[in-house]
Amino acid sequence: DIQMTQSPSSLSASVGDRVTITCRASQGIGYYLAWYQQKPGKVPKLLIYGATNLQSGVPSRFSASGSETDFTLTINSLQPDDVATYYCQRYNTVPPLTFGQGTRLEIK
Amino acid sequence: EVQLLESGGDLVQPGGSLRLSCAASGFTFNTHSMTWVRQAPGKGLEWVATASYITESTYYGDSVRGRFTVSRDNSKNTVYLQMNSLRTEDTATYYCAKNNVPGSSRGALDFWGQGTVVTVSS
Repeated sequence: DIQMTQSPSSLSASVGDRVTITCRASQGIGYYLAWYQQKPGKVPKLLIYGATNLQSGVPSRFSASGSETDFTLTINSLQPDDVATYYCQRYNTVPPLTFGQGTRLEIK
Repeated sequence: EVQLLESGGDLVQPGGSLRLSCAASGFTFNTHSMTWVRQAPGKGLEWVATASYITESTYYGDSVRGRFTVSRDNSKNTVYLQMNSLRTEDTATYYCAKNNVPGSSRGALDFWGQGTVVTVSS
């Protein structure tokens, strides 16, 4: 099975910072990658699909790039509301739909 | 407005069974695959199963294959997760989610229900 590895596992940044989270696939998955945000105690929310496409309603400070094995999620001008755990997920094949282990983002 | 409403979560003893339901509305149900994802307390997201928009096609994670069965009733806009031989490690919040690509078993999960809690304990 293709494994998804996120880095870092956690990070702390200041309001206004630019934050980057990385997701690496153990084999190429094309553009079949999604990013989700899960705020504490809340339901996961789709941010990005197709590796680079912003889901409707998601603030434009979120962006993403990458293909095949290396992907990044970038948050420009970090806001307090962005405190959450972020997950990548591959969906190039079913089964399985593999999630990364998550990246916990906190505000300094 | 898309809505997904899970139900059926409960406290059950190891070895027991439970059936979860997810009632969907606000979209053309029979053209979208539906997925169950779970999250153990304090842990990450784990894909459990997907019911393709084609009702005969189902897919399972390794940890539940042979014990869980996903099904759907397109006449009722509902997807189910029958869970048998439950183990303590199945304790989690179970979410149902809608795949975002109509007519495909692949896709990101663009809408999620609020989740239903399953606790397996003696």
